[in-house]
Amino acid sequence: DGGITQSPKYLFRKEGQNVTLSCEQNLNHDAMYWYRQDPGQGLRLIYYSQIVNDFQKGDIAEGYSVSREKKESFPLTVTSAQKNPTAFYLCASRKDGLYGYTFGSGTRLTVV
Amino acid sequence: AQSVTQLGSHVSVSEGALVLLRCNYSSSVPPYLFWYVQYPNQGLQLLLKYTTGATLVKGINGFEAEFKKSETSFHLTKPSAHMSDAAEYFCAVSGRVKAAGNKLTFGGGTRVLVKP
Repeated sequence: DGGITQSPKYLFRKEGQNVTLSCEQNLNHDAMYWYRQDPGQGLRLIYYSQIVNDFQKGDIAEGYSVSREKKESFPLTVTSAQKNPTAFYLCASRKDGLYGYTFGSGTRLTVV
Repeated sequence: AQSVTQLGSHVSVSEGALVLLRCNYSSSVPPYLFWYVQYPNQGLQLLLKYTTGATLVKGINGFEAEFKKSETSFHLTKPSAHMSDAAEYFCAVSGRVKAAGNKLTFGGGTRVLVKP
């Protein structure tokens, strides 16, 4: 079955370390997105990519980086510059011409 | 810029009672509108969407929503709540311009508790 896979589901990181969250989709979707979810704040857009080798900053891109070398993959790196990285991270994708996203099941990142 | 306001971060309903979740948006032009549901520690699932045409939209699990342009609202309703409806619900809007990435802007969410 097609879908979006995020891994790992739970991730622990020490302060000062970079960590990369994986997002893979086999839906042949064109655009991919990363959102951060904090209690009571809804979802906030970190980065998005509409085509391979191109991506744009969202509303809260500071302290994060991404790459889009393949259509299927859109990994997110949380760098040590992100001051408050503990959150639930959601990846999503969308097919050109369609509206609404398909979401992955999320990665919960905790800084210890 | 677009924004979404969901009135009430928590709603408690009795099983069998009406579920009403409020959503108002701010946009320079009528956007596309969505409702998503999220169960604990999971991703979001699309309940329904409005893009064009009929303003009363029916979705999955017995939910429906009505787009009211004059009120800039897209409230979500279900006539009879079920225990399985306990979850968090998000209203979202998207612009109509592909060049802008069709990005979704989300409201803060409403957590629904269903009492037996």
